[in-house]
Amino acid sequence: QVQLQESGPGLVKPSGTLSLTCTVSGGSISTNNWWSWVRQSPGKGLEWIGEIYHTGITNYKPSLKSRVTVSVDKSKNQFSLKLDSVTAADTAVYFCAREVRYYGPAFDSWGQGTLVTVSS
Amino acid sequence: DIQMTQSPSSLSASVGDKVTITCRAGQTLSNYLSWYQQKPGTAPKLLIYGAYTLETGVPSRFSGSKSGTDFTLTITSLQPEDFATYYCQQSYGPPWTFGQGTRVEIK
Repeated sequence: QVQLQESGPGLVKPSGTLSLTCTVSGGSISTNNWWSWVRQSPGKGLEWIGEIYHTGITNYKPSLKSRVTVSVDKSKNQFSLKLDSVTAADTAVYFCAREVRYYGPAFDSWGQGTLVTVSS
Repeated sequence: DIQMTQSPSSLSASVGDKVTITCRAGQTLSNYLSWYQQKPGTAPKLLIYGAYTLETGVPSRFSGSKSGTDFTLTITSLQPEDFATYYCQQSYGPPWTFGQGTRVEIK
């Protein structure tokens, strides 16, 4: 059973870069799956950020596209998120998730989530 | 972005009740819709995909249906472990978007 685990700094300064890594265990990242980042602001709903396939193909939420980079490291079975020029509005719990595609993507496996606070 | 509107935003129910949550899409989605359950401090859990198909291991008291652009999650005979927040998510076209959530509370 695949497991995902987010890691990275829990505090980022305004205008800085948020960097998180998701480590996949119990299965290869090079399967026929896409891998996503989803965030949840405190007390709010879920927001999809972007996704990557093991070949490096990416898709991003248009409103975040200018600030987001998702990358993959197949040798480490990891994928990563970088979000530039962060503000307090980027404070959220960040989840990594695996997609399965039956009728488009559904997120069937999730990391536990990691809280990232943007503050000076 | 495809807008997803859930109703109600919250509801109170008792153990054994039948609960219905609705998600309305801003456009036709065919069957490209999933439902998730989230409990406080945990990640969402996939319940249903393809509007109707139960994820492996999800109890049969959960079911999904569709009428036009309205999608419904039904929980028959609510159990104590079902008190949580439920989200819909469209998978018809990126960016993938979620409803704002429905919190199911104990009456």
